[in-house]
Amino acid sequence: QKEVEQNSGPLSVPEGAIASLNCTYSDRGSQSFFWYRQYSGKSPELIMFIYSNGDKEDGRFTAQLNKASQYVSLLIRDSQPSDSATYLCAVRDFNKFYFGSGTKLNVKP
Amino acid sequence: DAMVIQNPRYQVTQFGKPVTLSCSQTLNHNVMYWYQQKSSQAPKLLFHYYDKDFNNEADTPDNFQSRRPNTSFCFLDIRSPGLGDAAMYLCATSSGPENYQLAKNIQYFGAGTRLSVL
Repeated sequence: QKEVEQNSGPLSVPEGAIASLNCTYSDRGSQSFFWYRQYSGKSPELIMFIYSNGDKEDGRFTAQLNKASQYVSLLIRDSQPSDSATYLCAVRDFNKFYFGSGTKLNVKP
Repeated sequence: DAMVIQNPRYQVTQFGKPVTLSCSQTLNHNVMYWYQQKSSQAPKLLFHYYDKDFNNEADTPDNFQSRRPNTSFCFLDIRSPGLGDAAMYLCATSSGPENYQLAKNIQYFGAGTRLSVL
C-alpha cells in the first residue's frame, strides 16, 4: 500500500502571508505528484502537478519536489481568505492516484 | 465547459434500495475512476477502468459494482446501500500513465454526487 502523509492541520496564516503545506510519500519509484484544493462539499480541483526535482511556479503557487527525501510541498504566497480550503497531495503510480488525507488551511483576514 | 459530468449531484435513497450514479466525460480519456469520500478523509479509490479492463480495489465491498458501456460513460451501482455508504462519490478520468511528464497525466474530477441513505 502506497502511503501519502500530510499534517491534517488546521494551518492558520494571516492574509498576505506565505502558507507552506507539506507531504511525504512512501514509494521511492513514484513519478508524478499533484496538489489539489478542495472546498467543503466540493470536488478536488487541481492546482499544480510536478515530476522533476526542484521548484515549479504558477502564479502565487510554487510546488517543490525532493525525490531523495520523498517529500513534496506547496507554497502559497500572498495568501487570501479565498485560499481557505483543504489541500490534498496525490501521487501517481501507473494508473492509480494515492491521496493524503489533506491539510486544512485557514487564511485569516 | 464541464469535462467530467456526474449525475445526479444529490441522491437520496432508502436503506437497501439500489441506486445508480452516472459519470460521463468529453476528454476521451481511457481511464475512469470511482472514489468514495467521507468527511475529512482522503478520497478512497473503489475501482477504475483502463479502457474496458476493470480493476477492483481489494477492500471494495461487493455491494459496489461498476459498468463502463463505452469510453464516455461509467456507472456506479450500489446494490443495497447501508447507512455507512452515505458519502460523496467522485468520478475522475485521466489519460494513460505513459505521459507522466505531460498535462495528459492529470486526473480530472467531476463535481461529485452526494449520497444520503435514510
